[in-house]
Amino acid sequence: DAKTTQPTSMDCAEGRAANLPCNHSTISGNEYVYWYRQIHSQGPQYIIHGLKNNETNEMASLIITEDRKSSTLILPHATLRDTAVYYCIVRVYNTNAGKSTFGDGTTLTVKP
Amino acid sequence: NAGVTQTPKFQVLKTGQSMTLQCAQDMNHNSMYWYRQDPGMGLRLIYYSASEGTTDKGEVPNGYNVSRLNKREFSLRLESAAPSQTSVYFCASSEEGVQPQHFGDGTRLSIL
Repeated sequence: DAKTTQPTSMDCAEGRAANLPCNHSTISGNEYVYWYRQIHSQGPQYIIHGLKNNETNEMASLIITEDRKSSTLILPHATLRDTAVYYCIVRVYNTNAGKSTFGDGTTLTVKP
Repeated sequence: NAGVTQTPKFQVLKTGQSMTLQCAQDMNHNSMYWYRQDPGMGLRLIYYSASEGTTDKGEVPNGYNVSRLNKREFSLRLESAAPSQTSVYFCASSEEGVQPQHFGDGTRLSIL
């Protein structure tokens, strides 16, 4: 699986959009981009994933660049409960489980 | 619907003791995973099982063994615990192909 690079930490004001970047310059054509978050040492929680088109669900939006070498997770109206570590990983699609390592992620702190 | 259940939640061992961490999922998922997370760091894959009867090494398999007992259960064994294995252990499961991983709440293991 491709390696990802994320900033170590970011701050965001409550009510504003949080934009979390991820670089995955070695991504291959069959690798999907997944985003998870981990709140205070709980088990990670799936947020969203995509291949090449932008995606949106009730939690967030995922913007993937045309060359697929980077992506941005957008939390449109951040709340204090969105304070967490956010992980971006890439994972191969196949019929067997892919090896997916989570990096150190981005610690997002939402401030009042 | 319990999702992914891990037992125990906490454990303290002495160096050299053995222990098995249990994981069960009720989502009929084919793939299961074991990760460890050291303080302030991301998750690292120890072992995974693509389907019942198969297991493969992840990034950090040394010192661990696994058993995919059936489709629901995937256990992690420490044969001779070492202080370096002090960590939080997460189990996860996913369907085949492009599916997100669902995580348990973790087992916090301290080895003295």
